[in-house]
Amino acid sequence: NAGVTQTPKFQVLKTGQSMTLQCAQDMNHEYMSWYRQDPGMGLRLIHYSVGAGITDQGEVPNGYNVSRSTTEDFPLRLLLAAPSQTSVYFCASRGQGGGYTFGSGTRLTVV
Amino acid sequence: ILNVEQSPQSLHVQEGDSTNFTCSFPSSNFYALHWYRWETAKSPEALFVMTLNGDEKKKGRISATLNTKEGYSYLYIKGSQPEDSATYLCAFHSGGGADGLTFGKGTHLIIQP
Repeated sequence: NAGVTQTPKFQVLKTGQSMTLQCAQDMNHEYMSWYRQDPGMGLRLIHYSVGAGITDQGEVPNGYNVSRSTTEDFPLRLLLAAPSQTSVYFCASRGQGGGYTFGSGTRLTVV
Repeated sequence: ILNVEQSPQSLHVQEGDSTNFTCSFPSSNFYALHWYRWETAKSPEALFVMTLNGDEKKKGRISATLNTKEGYSYLYIKGSQPEDSATYLCAFHSGGGADGLTFGKGTHLIIQP
């Protein structure tokens, strides 16, 4: 049982490039979310999904897109990377009534 | 933007002592309050999900209480051990069909042998 798997673990991008952060869970969880973690800030919600085909914006959605075509996968796309998107990104999933299970994170640097 | 505050920001506790810290959150549109434990170089790990006013939950030496009317929750650790050193996060889950959490900045707990 792998839980929540995020890839890659580390990435360096140039300003203006695009990329997709992958997230997959094998627990049949309905709910999935993406957070970013920056120094001095709490974890901040980017986007979330309450089931396949349903996504919505969180607190800091600008510059990111998501889709949820299957229950298992919830990729996060950076459209035009900017230095302000340098952060550690966490994907998380939960079942009904439960707490979130977090992935191990992706450390992204935009130069 | 919802305001979730945790205090203190950091705490040094002697091994064997008991300690507690606070999370305050909006008292309106409440759905659930989560507590997570986050060790260095790891990912946050769920401790409790609390939904009812007056709820009290316990896991080993760690327990939590919830007051939704006044918007606060306490986390207690009894007989602190070095392995309790971590950042403890609380997170507010609002109602209305939305999902995702609003996190506090955490309480960084250091247990001194």
